[in-house]
Amino acid sequence: EIVMTQSPATLSVSPGERATLSCRASQSVSSNLAWYQQKPGQAPRLVIYGASTRANGIPARFSGSGSGTEFTLTISSLQSEDFALYYCQQYNNWPRTFGQGTKVEIK
Amino acid sequence: QLQLQESGPGLVKPSETLSLTCTVSGGSISSNNYYWDWIRQPPGKGLEWIGSIYYSGSIYYNPSLKSRVTISEDTSKNQFSLKVSSVTAADTAVYYCARQFPSGWYPGWGQGTLVTVSS
Repeated sequence: EIVMTQSPATLSVSPGERATLSCRASQSVSSNLAWYQQKPGQAPRLVIYGASTRANGIPARFSGSGSGTEFTLTISSLQSEDFALYYCQQYNNWPRTFGQGTKVEIK
Repeated sequence: QLQLQESGPGLVKPSETLSLTCTVSGGSISSNNYYWDWIRQPPGKGLEWIGSIYYSGSIYYNPSLKSRVTISEDTSKNQFSLKVSSVTAADTAVYYCARQFPSGWYPGWGQGTLVTVSS
């Protein structure tokens, strides 16, 4: 099983600032990496797939990068609606595995 | 627009079997190349993939749960189902059904249903 490790666990950012979230895989997943946003009481929402492709309806302030074992999700200028939990997920291998999440909170 | 809706008991007794159904509307579970998945999230914790059923009928399970999990489909009702046997408190979670694109990401999720294991 591929273990996904996200850092930091919590990121405190002021509105309008940049947020950078990291995700590391225990072995290469190529570019088979997705990011999800989850708000309290809601299902996860796809943000990025293929490591860098924004999903439908996702604003351009969200960007993803990386390949192999190191990945980054960047939110260029945080808006109030962006404060949430973010999970990475690899789909290079079975079983599909998720990171433990990064909480982006208001500083 | 594709919609997924989980249904089933919200409370299950320890050692019994948890049973959930996902009803799909706006698309067919027999559609080529899609997987139909179950994912769970214990309260305050992260996401755990449980298993997938492919449109062709192939099934994939998380090895950590494989001995207790059964996923099946009813194409006539456009539904797929999850059974988890011999449940314990550790199986308490919000259970989501989701459609997995052929390449492996999840663009569509159900709203989730909380299942509590307690006597």
